[in-house]
Amino acid sequence: GQSLEQPSEVTAVEGAIVQINCTYQTSGFYGLSWYQQHDGGAPTFLSYNGLDGLEETGRFSSFLSRSDSYGYLLLQELQMKDSASYFCAVRDQAAGNKLTFGGGTRVLVKP
Amino acid sequence: GAVVSQHPSRVICKSGTSVKIECRSLDFQATTMFWYRQFPKQSLMLMATSNEGSKATYEQGVEKDKFLINHASLTLSTLTVTSAHPEDSSFYICSARDGRALSYGYTFGSGTRLTVV
Repeated sequence: GQSLEQPSEVTAVEGAIVQINCTYQTSGFYGLSWYQQHDGGAPTFLSYNGLDGLEETGRFSSFLSRSDSYGYLLLQELQMKDSASYFCAVRDQAAGNKLTFGGGTRVLVKP
Repeated sequence: GAVVSQHPSRVICKSGTSVKIECRSLDFQATTMFWYRQFPKQSLMLMATSNEGSKATYEQGVEKDKFLINHASLTLSTLTVTSAHPEDSSFYICSARDGRALSYGYTFGSGTRLTVV
C-alpha cells in the first residue's frame, strides 16, 4: 500500500518562504506530485518529480530524494492567495495509476 | 489544457433518495476516471477507479452497491449515491488524466457538495 506523511499546518507572513515536507512509503514508486486546493475548490496540479532533484516552476519548487523517500514543496515570496491546502501524492502504476494523497498541509499566510 | 466538468456542483437531497453525479472529460478521452470523497479539513480519499466499458474497482471499505459507478463512454463517468443518508454528506470529486499530455498531473472536476437531510 501507500502512505504519505506531511505536516498538518504551517503559518507564515507575506513574502516569506515555506517548505512543506512529505515522506512516503509505497509498494511501487512512480513519481511524487503536489496539488493545491483552496477551500471549497478542486485540487490543481502544481508540480511533479519523477527523478531526484529540484523542479522549479515560478515561485514554487519541488524536490525529491528517492533514496530517502522524501520530497518537499517550497513556496517562495508568499502571497495571501497562497493560503490553501497542499497535498503530496504518489501514483500507483500497478493499480490503474490511481493517486494516493497525503493528509494535506494547510498554509495560512498572514499580512 | 485538459478540462474535467463535474455536475452538479451542489445538491441537497432527502434521506433515502439517490443522487447522480456526472463527470465529463471535455477535450480528451479518459479510459479511466477516479472518484474521491473529501470530508471537511481532511484529505482526498479514493473511493473507486472507473474504467470505460468495464466494472469499477472499489477501494477497501467502499460499498459498491451504495456507490454505483458507470463509465459508459470515453468521456463520461457517473457516480450514483443510492439510498443516501446524512453520513454520506461530503464533497465528491472526480479526476482523470489526459494520456496525450506531457504533464504528469491529473485534472480534477470542480467537485460536488452533497448534503443529505
